[in-house]
Amino acid sequence: DADVTQTPRNRITKTGKRIMLECSQTKGHDRMYWYRQDPGLGLRLIYYSFDVKDINKGEISDGYSVSRQAQAKFSLSLESAIPNQTALYFCATSDSVTGPYGYTFGSGTRLTVV
Amino acid sequence: AQTVTQSQPEMSVQEAETVTLSCTYDTSENNYYLFWYKQPPSRQMILVIRQEAYKQQNATENRFSVNFQKAAKSFSLKISDSQLGDTAMYFCAFVDSGAGSYQLTFGKGTKLSVIP
Repeated sequence: DADVTQTPRNRITKTGKRIMLECSQTKGHDRMYWYRQDPGLGLRLIYYSFDVKDINKGEISDGYSVSRQAQAKFSLSLESAIPNQTALYFCATSDSVTGPYGYTFGSGTRLTVV
Repeated sequence: AQTVTQSQPEMSVQEAETVTLSCTYDTSENNYYLFWYKQPPSRQMILVIRQEAYKQQNATENRFSVNFQKAAKSFSLKISDSQLGDTAMYFCAFVDSGAGSYQLTFGKGTKLSVIP
């Protein structure tokens, strides 16, 4: 099984719908992240979390919310999806022991908003 | 805030040849890490090589090596003996080691095509 699992792998949704992307990890890492990838823009940070009680906005948090349900689970929600949120979304983890070297990415969720 | 610039949106190289991908960054921090990630069509993010800013010696991983010029804030990736499997998007990334959050700042990527 993958260390960082994202579900679903692909999703098509309609404008205005609420959608949740889920991420779970077996790494035991304390830090979790959501990044968004757009063609020609690279990856940009949406939200990150140090632990269950500590959630922080990233560069592009508008239109998104997150929930850290447990050490191992970090969900990203789009309350009312819009077409320009069509992108590839990555969850990632790291921890204070291995630092940046321990970064582990999920396999991504490709979201299309029509 | 840090920025990472990859000035080559696309590159191509003949199989078995050598290619260099460019990356520059801007930061006021002194302690940081730099990474090159590979993203093949499978879209998985794969760490290729990493460099700690305090180390003067350039990192090497098999056919992959970097030219790290701290004063110039440059971090280029050299791929030797290019293989078809090297075809992918390559992202340069920066992290401030003192920030604690370990947020990665990425460049916009370089699409590398290896031609048979």
